[in-house]
Amino acid sequence: SFELTQPPSLSVSPGQTASITCSGDKLGDKYICWYQQRPGQSPVLIIYQDNKRPSGIPERFSGSNSGNTATLTISGTQAMDEADYYCQAWDSTTALYVFGTGTKVTVL
Amino acid sequence: QVRLQESGPGLVKPSETLSLTCAVSNFSISEAYFWAWIRQPPGKGLEWIGSIFHNGGTYYNPSLKSRATISVDTSKNRFSLNLNSVIAADTALYYCARHPGGPAGVDYWGQGTLVTVSS
Repeated sequence: SFELTQPPSLSVSPGQTASITCSGDKLGDKYICWYQQRPGQSPVLIIYQDNKRPSGIPERFSGSNSGNTATLTISGTQAMDEADYYCQAWDSTTALYVFGTGTKVTVL
Repeated sequence: QVRLQESGPGLVKPSETLSLTCAVSNFSISEAYFWAWIRQPPGKGLEWIGSIFHNGGTYYNPSLKSRATISVDTSKNRFSLNLNSVIAADTALYYCARHPGGPAGVDYWGQGTLVTVSS
């Protein structure tokens, strides 16, 4: 299987843009999802199929995926966006799912 | 709103089998979706354990070395996880979840149940 690497932590000021990377071999050949997990809560799907937002997810969340890196961008970051974020890849050849190592986003 | 609720023992002894059940509400488990188990050790990241399709087809994380078995009970609208030969490293919050399959991601999660492996 493959591995997905994320930076352990990221700090961002309110109103600024946060970019969270997810790195893996030929990641652009796979589809990526992103999840937000607030403390003590279950994860929530915020991006699927690289750049699609489920119903109810704010437009400030966007995703991209190319080469060996996928990126989750939070525009106009708000205090409520403080959480852990995980990428997830789906390998179409094996039908297996892999989660990234996770990034803790602090808004200060 | 689809609801998933995990249940099972909170404490399992090393070398024994961890058994969890996920009850699904407001949605038929016989619909064409996948039903998954995902775990999260305390203070750590998420790990996909495996998934079962509505017709019984299963997919597992190879890192578990065939210790995991997922089954579905359509008569009770629930699915289950058995993880045998557990060790302390299997201590985690275990989530059950639903996903459409492929690139669509996991759209519904249970609240999670903590399982501790200790003698």
